[in-house]
Amino acid sequence: EAQVTQNPRYLITVTGKKLTVTCSQNMNHEYMSWYRQDPGLGLRQIYYSMNVEVTDKGDVPEGYKVSRKEKRNFPLILESPSPNQTSLYFCASSLQGARRSGKLFFGSGTQLSVL
Amino acid sequence: AQRVTQPEKLLSVFKGAPVELKCNYSYSGSPELFWYVQYSRQRLQLLLRHISRESIKGFTADLNKGETSFHLKKPFAQEEDSAMYYCALSVTAGGFKTIFGAGTRLFVKA
Repeated sequence: EAQVTQNPRYLITVTGKKLTVTCSQNMNHEYMSWYRQDPGLGLRQIYYSMNVEVTDKGDVPEGYKVSRKEKRNFPLILESPSPNQTSLYFCASSLQGARRSGKLFFGSGTQLSVL
Repeated sequence: AQRVTQPEKLLSVFKGAPVELKCNYSYSGSPELFWYVQYSRQRLQLLLRHISRESIKGFTADLNKGETSFHLKKPFAQEEDSAMYYCALSVTAGGFKTIFGAGTRLFVKA
């Protein structure tokens, strides 16, 4: 089944303890992106990647890192999580490549709580 | 700056009534707009996009560049339409980004 898979679904951690949220897609999509969803703010883009080894900042990149070593994987790394990073995170992918009008396919989300 | 505004956080209508979810955008370039929907316990999914000029599940949305709007409409709401709806704008200024509105929760009452 074509899909975007995120893990874990739920994560509780403490301030400063490094964590990684994984994202994988099996649709050979070039474009992948991370969003955080907060009440009243909708989805805000953290980082995105146009292709392997090509990543760029979104609107709220502070405190996050990403890597794109393989086409299918796009992990989100929090080197030193803080409570203000408590949020619902979504990974998404799209075939768009050079075309910007791409339909986004979303993962099921990761609820992160930083204590 | 690019921005998407959905003025209503919650919209409640009766089954069979018309529904309109408002979306306004701010973008100096040529906009590409989308509506995404999230049903209970399901992942966010594309509902429709303006370039397709399609009708999905009875919903339509017309891009009005003069009013910078992309309102989502359905003439007769159904209970299964109850969900969270997000308007989104795809831009290339400063990179390839998709900017989402804050979302509108639609509740269709029996």
